[in-house]
Amino acid sequence: GQQVMQIPQYQHVQEGEDFTTYCNSSTTLSNIQWYKQRPGGHPVFLIQLVKSGEVKKQKRLTFQFGEAKKNSSLHITATQTTDVGTYFCAGAYSGGGADGLTFGKGTHLIIQP
Amino acid sequence: NAGVTQTPKFRILKIGQSMTLQCTQDMNHNYMYWYRQDPGMGLKLIYYSVGAGITDKGEVPNGYNVSRSTTEDFPLRLELAAPSQTSVYFCASSPRRGAAQYFGPGTRLLVL
Repeated sequence: GQQVMQIPQYQHVQEGEDFTTYCNSSTTLSNIQWYKQRPGGHPVFLIQLVKSGEVKKQKRLTFQFGEAKKNSSLHITATQTTDVGTYFCAGAYSGGGADGLTFGKGTHLIIQP
Repeated sequence: NAGVTQTPKFRILKIGQSMTLQCTQDMNHNYMYWYRQDPGMGLKLIYYSVGAGITDKGEVPNGYNVSRSTTEDFPLRLELAAPSQTSVYFCASSPRRGAAQYFGPGTRLLVL
C-alpha cells in the first residue's frame, strides 16, 4: 500500500531555534495534511494543502507542498516551549481504498529551554 | 458541538477479559476510524467505517471488532484482551474520504 515517510523521527532544538520536518510519498498525493499531538493529548488537525507548490502560513508555522505533490514540509520559526509535541503528516491518495489518509510516523519535537 | 467523545478515559483489563470502547461524534460525519498508538509511536488504523452499516478492516484488525448501527456511534470491541493490546486508542471522524480527521481524546488501555 501507500506509504508516507517522515523525517526526522526526533528533533532536539534550543528554544528560539528553527525546526523543520519532512514528508515524502512514492506516489502522487491528492492532498496532504498536518497534525500536532501534544504530550498526553490527541492529534489535532492543523492544515491541509491541495495545490502543487502550495505554501501556507500560520503565525510561525510554514507549510509547503511540493511541485510534484509527493512531498511536504513543516517549518517552525523561532520555536517556543508551546511547540513541543509530535507533528504528523498524513497523505490522501486518489482512488485506492476507502480508509482515507496514510499517516507518517511523526516527528517528535523536543525543546530545551 | 462536543465533537468526538470517547469513553472510558482509562481502563485496566486482565488478560482474557473483554470490553467495548465507546466513540460518539455529533458532527454528522459519515467516515469514522479507530486507531491505536503505542508509546512514542505513530497511528495504526484498526477499523474504519464509511457510513452506518458499513465497516472495513484497517492495518491491524486482529483481536478487535466494530459495528456501526448509527451515524453517531462507532464502538470498538476487544475480545480476549492480551498484553499486546496495551495502547492508547483514538477514534476519529471525517466528513468524507481524504478530508481532515477530528480525533477524540483517547482511551488508555492497560492489559495485565
